[in-house]
Amino acid sequence: AQTVTQSQPEMSVQEAETVTLSCTYDTSENNYYLFWYKQPPSRQMILVIRQEAYKQQNATENRFSVNFQKAAKSFSLKISDSQLGDTAMYFCAYNTDKLIFGTGTRLQVFP
Amino acid sequence: ETGVTQTPRHLVMGMTNKKSLKCEQHLGHNAMYWYKQSAKKPLELMFVYSLEERVENNSVPSRFSPECPNSSHLFLHLHTLQPEDSALYLCASSQDRRYYEQYFGPGTRLTVT
Repeated sequence: AQTVTQSQPEMSVQEAETVTLSCTYDTSENNYYLFWYKQPPSRQMILVIRQEAYKQQNATENRFSVNFQKAAKSFSLKISDSQLGDTAMYFCAYNTDKLIFGTGTRLQVFP
Repeated sequence: ETGVTQTPRHLVMGMTNKKSLKCEQHLGHNAMYWYKQSAKKPLELMFVYSLEERVENNSVPSRFSPECPNSSHLFLHLHTLQPEDSALYLCASSQDRRYYEQYFGPGTRLTVT
């Protein structure tokens, strides 16, 4: 069965610092996509970053980057220079023919 | 308007009412989805439409009835709901079912009284 696990229910970080959110997944597929989504208090689910499994290079989007370890089935998200607007729920997700979400990590950025 | 829109944003209904949720995507995508998000539960996929054909129905009770009249519009018809159906209902779309990222609407907060 395909599963996505986020082991950190809650995390906090001070503004301007760096934080890493963990995600592991289980699959027997070789080709798939991985995503991080952000859901702020406004409830809109927003795509943060995507990673194709066949690409060895880690994806980056401005202050957001991932550490993709295919053999370990690990897909962590690093947020650099954290901002107050980064406060949100963060969901890791895996997709082949169905998007499977983890249970989320609530990130609080404080001044 | 761009992206994925949903109306209404908030809905309160009694258990005997009939209402509909509407979703519209302006992205030219071929697949659309309904999800249910309840507190302290993972996101639950309810229905998947690909090219206007329902391709997945994840054991959703018949009091939820989806409709996809064209590739840009998706409805969720609600009737005789239960209080446990109160949740945030999210619509999403993607270029195709496989591999692609999904883009979400802002959701409809449903309260069943």
